[in-house]
Amino acid sequence: EAQVTQNPRYLITVTGKKLTVTCSQNMNHEYMSWYRQDPGLGLRQIYYSMNVEVTDKGDVPEGYKVSRKEKRNFPLILESPSPNQTSLYFCASSFSGTLIYEQYFGPGTRLTVT
Amino acid sequence: AQSVAQPEDQVNVAEGNPLTVKCTYSVSGNPYLFWYVQYPNRGLQFLLKYITGDNLVKGSYGFEAEFNKSQTSFHLKKPSALVSDSALYFCAVRDGGVDSNYQLIWGAGTKLIIKP
Repeated sequence: EAQVTQNPRYLITVTGKKLTVTCSQNMNHEYMSWYRQDPGLGLRQIYYSMNVEVTDKGDVPEGYKVSRKEKRNFPLILESPSPNQTSLYFCASSFSGTLIYEQYFGPGTRLTVT
Repeated sequence: AQSVAQPEDQVNVAEGNPLTVKCTYSVSGNPYLFWYVQYPNRGLQFLLKYITGDNLVKGSYGFEAEFNKSQTSFHLKKPSALVSDSALYFCAVRDGGVDSNYQLIWGAGTKLIIKP
């Protein structure tokens, strides 16, 4: 089954404790992206990757890191999480070109930072 | 500045009635416009897109959207609503500005509630 998987689905952590949210897709997509969803703000892009070893900042990259060492994986790293990073996080992937806008989303990771 | 607005936080429609979810945009150049749907506890799903051509585009689940260049709108419509259409709907536009990265700009979302 074609899908984007994220782990964990739910995470409660404390301020300053490094964490990684994994994202993997099995569709051989070139493009991958991380978003956060907050009430009333819609989706805001954190980072995106056009292909392996190519990453770029989105609208809200502060406090986050990413890497794209393999085509299928695009982990999101919070080196020192803070309460304002409490949010619902989505990973998405797509083919390149104009198909970049037809994105497949993972199920989401709900992160709470206390 | 590039932007997209969904003026209604929530839309309530009776089952069987037509529904409209509104979206307006402001971008440089020709817009690429999209609708996505998010069912409870799920990720977003692509519904439809407008890039060029016919102003009325058809998508998944019987939805369609009308591109209106003069009103800079891209409203989502369905002739007869189903209870299962209840979800959160997002409008998005491609940022085509000179300094843009050609990424999507997302609206805040509209909660659609279909009552039996």
